[in-house]
Amino acid sequence: NAGVTQTPKFQVLKTGQSMTLQCAQDMNHNSMYWYRQDPGMGLRLIYYSASEGTTDKGEVPNGYNVSRLNKREFSLRLESAAPSQTSVYFCASSERPASNQPQHFGDGTRLSIL
Amino acid sequence: AQTVTQSQPEMSVQEAETVTLSCTYDTSESDYYLFWYKQPPSRQMILVIRQEAYKQQNATENRFSVNFQKAAKSFSLKISDSQLGDAAMYFCAYRHFSGTYKYIFGTGTRLKVLA
Repeated sequence: NAGVTQTPKFQVLKTGQSMTLQCAQDMNHNSMYWYRQDPGMGLRLIYYSASEGTTDKGEVPNGYNVSRLNKREFSLRLESAAPSQTSVYFCASSERPASNQPQHFGDGTRLSIL
Repeated sequence: AQTVTQSQPEMSVQEAETVTLSCTYDTSESDYYLFWYKQPPSRQMILVIRQEAYKQQNATENRFSVNFQKAAKSFSLKISDSQLGDAAMYFCAYRHFSGTYKYIFGTGTRLKVLA
């Protein structure tokens, strides 16, 4: 039972490089999310997708783009990486919006921008 | 806008003792969900316990229980008989009942368990 799978687990980029973080879930969940986690800041929502075909901005969307490729996959793209985007990135999914079901998280991607 | 506040950046507890982690939130909604997540050093976020705001009874999961005070907008987590494996970051999270898909997380409390 894989749950939410994120790739890669670690990545080092140079300023200005681009990168796509991949996320896939096998739980048939409708909603998917991307967060970043910084020390002392908790988790902050970057983008979310309530259902296949829709995406919306979260709290900190600047510098990122997302694609909900299908129901299973939700990718996060950094077009021109900046040192301020050094963080741990988490993908999550949940069954449906009007539900007490929690989010299920991937293991995270540690991204360093030099 | 809803906010979630965890005022204790770090807590320590002796093994086998009880510890309470605090969480307060601000919302104008009457229906919502509250969650506690645990994040061990492995980074995996694990659901500990959940509470529906419309339920008066406090949720309990084995050694974990909550003290939900809706009027005070307080949602504390009590860990009984603390174990070394409980050492982790704990995050409180809020989610509106419907109409929005956003979860709002607090900044976390790091729990240390002393042998």
